[in-house]
Amino acid sequence: EAQVTQNPRYLITVTGKKLTVTCSQNMNHEYMSWYRQDPGLGLRQIYYSMNVEVTDKGDVPEGYKVSRKEKRNFPLILESPSPNQTSLYFCASSLLRGVGGYTFGSGTRLTVV
Amino acid sequence: SQQGEEDPQALSIQEGENATMNCSYKTSINNLQWYRQNSGRGLVHLILIRSNEREKHSGRLRVTLDTSKKSSSLLITASRAADTASYFCATDAGGGSNYKLTFGKGTLLTVNP
Repeated sequence: EAQVTQNPRYLITVTGKKLTVTCSQNMNHEYMSWYRQDPGLGLRQIYYSMNVEVTDKGDVPEGYKVSRKEKRNFPLILESPSPNQTSLYFCASSLLRGVGGYTFGSGTRLTVV
Repeated sequence: SQQGEEDPQALSIQEGENATMNCSYKTSINNLQWYRQNSGRGLVHLILIRSNEREKHSGRLRVTLDTSKKSSSLLITASRAADTASYFCATDAGGGSNYKLTFGKGTLLTVNP
């Protein structure tokens, strides 16, 4: 089944403890992106990638890192999480711009205490 | 930064009625997309309309785009209880090869049985 897989689905962690949220797609998509969703603020893009080894900042990149060493994987790294990074995170991928939309993962609900 | 703004923020209708949601945006776009999100879950791509298109249909969905007014509408005909969800418009306004979507804050549609 064509899909974007995120893990974990839920995560509670403490301030400052490094964590990685994994994202993998099995559709050979070029484009991948990370969003966070917060009440009243909607979805905001964190980072995106147009291809392997090509990444760029979105609207809210502070406190996050990404890498795209393989086409299928696009992990999101929080080096030192803080409570303001408590949010619902989505990974998404797309094959071609302007042809189809993004396929989203099921989300990762992160709580930083 | 928010590009698309949906209107209304919330809409409640009876099963069988039509639902219309509007989206306004600020800058020139390459395409505009609509997504559906069931509570807390991943977004599902519904339809994409390019900047040179005025209307598009997909099943019970009809999308219009007016680039002179920088607005779009999503019409769901003969609504069902299963259509209850949040609906987001997203604009692709980036130049070059950057495929970045900017989402509005969404319209919460409730379809009452």
